[in-house]
Amino acid sequence: GESVGLHLPTLSVQEGDNSIINCAYSNSASDYFIWYKQESGKGPQFIIDIRSNMDKRQGQRVTVLLNKTVKHLSLQIAATQPGDSAVYFCAENDRTNSGYALNFGKGTSLLVTP
Amino acid sequence: DVKVTQSSRYLVKRTGEKVFLECVQDMDHENMFWYRQDPGLGLRLIYFSYDVKMKEKGDIPEGYSVSREKKERFSLILESASTNQTSMYLCASSFRHEQFFGPGTRLTVL
Repeated sequence: GESVGLHLPTLSVQEGDNSIINCAYSNSASDYFIWYKQESGKGPQFIIDIRSNMDKRQGQRVTVLLNKTVKHLSLQIAATQPGDSAVYFCAENDRTNSGYALNFGKGTSLLVTP
Repeated sequence: DVKVTQSSRYLVKRTGEKVFLECVQDMDHENMFWYRQDPGLGLRLIYFSYDVKMKEKGDIPEGYSVSREKKERFSLILESASTNQTSMYLCASSFRHEQFFGPGTRLTVL
């Protein structure tokens, strides 16, 4: 999950296993959530998003779950592959207060081992 | 494909220098953003812009300014660089919520 401080939380999984990356948010007015993947030396890339009127959305090998009651977001990656090794960021938006500006979490490092 | 380009991948400057970081997007996006990224702190928003000549402060605007004279270009300016501004700087653009990022500029201030 997300944390404050200089060290990224790290999740280590074996190739082929499923990965779950968690994220907590604090703004109950947030109405849009997004996951980004950042590989070493690159800018973040969009993975999947979800609006607050949904609690689950699926993409190719990825699923995002939203629990508004406890303000929790998770990213599930099925059959994790070495190419999934990266830092993953969740971000949220409160459209009425912040326009389209995103508020990012601090990131989770996913390491996929053979 | 959306393309966001940043003028430099690596930059080394001295304390007190004026530094310009340039960002260009080719998708006619109205929204553009500048972030800095530091280990363990995630992406922190410095400034953003919703239109030409418009700018809004983000969470950490101190020590920075921006310029948006054309829709496709958003510049970040460090008026007098300091060592605590050594960081990775990321530019992004968007039409609505989904932001598209450039590759980043790693700035070192000596």
